[in-house]
Amino acid sequence: GEDVEQSLFLSVREGDSSVINCTYTDSSSTYLYWYKQEPGAGLQLLTYIFSNMDMKQDQRLTVLLNKKDKHLSLRIADTQTGDSAIYFCAERRNAGNMLTFGGGTRLMVKP
Amino acid sequence: NAGVTQTPKFQVLKTGQSMTLQCAQDMNHNSMYWYRQDPGMGLRLIYYSASEGTTDKGEVPNGYNVSRLNKREFSLRLESAAPSQTSVYFCASTGRGGYNSPLHFGNGTRLTVT
Repeated sequence: GEDVEQSLFLSVREGDSSVINCTYTDSSSTYLYWYKQEPGAGLQLLTYIFSNMDMKQDQRLTVLLNKKDKHLSLRIADTQTGDSAIYFCAERRNAGNMLTFGGGTRLMVKP
Repeated sequence: NAGVTQTPKFQVLKTGQSMTLQCAQDMNHNSMYWYRQDPGMGLRLIYYSASEGTTDKGEVPNGYNVSRLNKREFSLRLESAAPSQTSVYFCASTGRGGYNSPLHFGNGTRLTVT
């Protein structure tokens, strides 16, 4: 559903930082996730953040959460060509064990 | 471990034909899900099974049925395929780890209905 929104496309040069943004509407969201989908494959969990946190860092990945604005971002430092993929944000709400996904952002990394 | 296995990987159907998409997981997960992926629309939940013996509708259940055959297997059936069901279908599962238990996805079934 469109409760979670992302821009469709991002292009960066190898070695630059990438920032992928996501907005969501449900204030009861508990966990927020970033998934990566490579061509012809399913989605793989990259990282997640609990809603009472505002930042989480995991190697080259930094997740920022602005709960007031319902805005989530994923920063990839030193972006590599292998990072080219579609990135999905997803939210899990208090109501159940299901995720609501955004439409995905296609990241293209140019050498 | 194979994780989540979906069959077939590709399928072409004619309008009105029926088929069943198969999904199996070997991680002893309780919950299983069927999503469809359409360009620019992300993943939309079709049906899910919170535990063996239960199934519930998701966001877009019309035109589909599911069966949770046992803890491992969760199938999706299209009784009378329509071109609007052309999509990539993903099965996923998750364990009992609470809210931080991630979804594990299969590699998808690419279905074309002509």
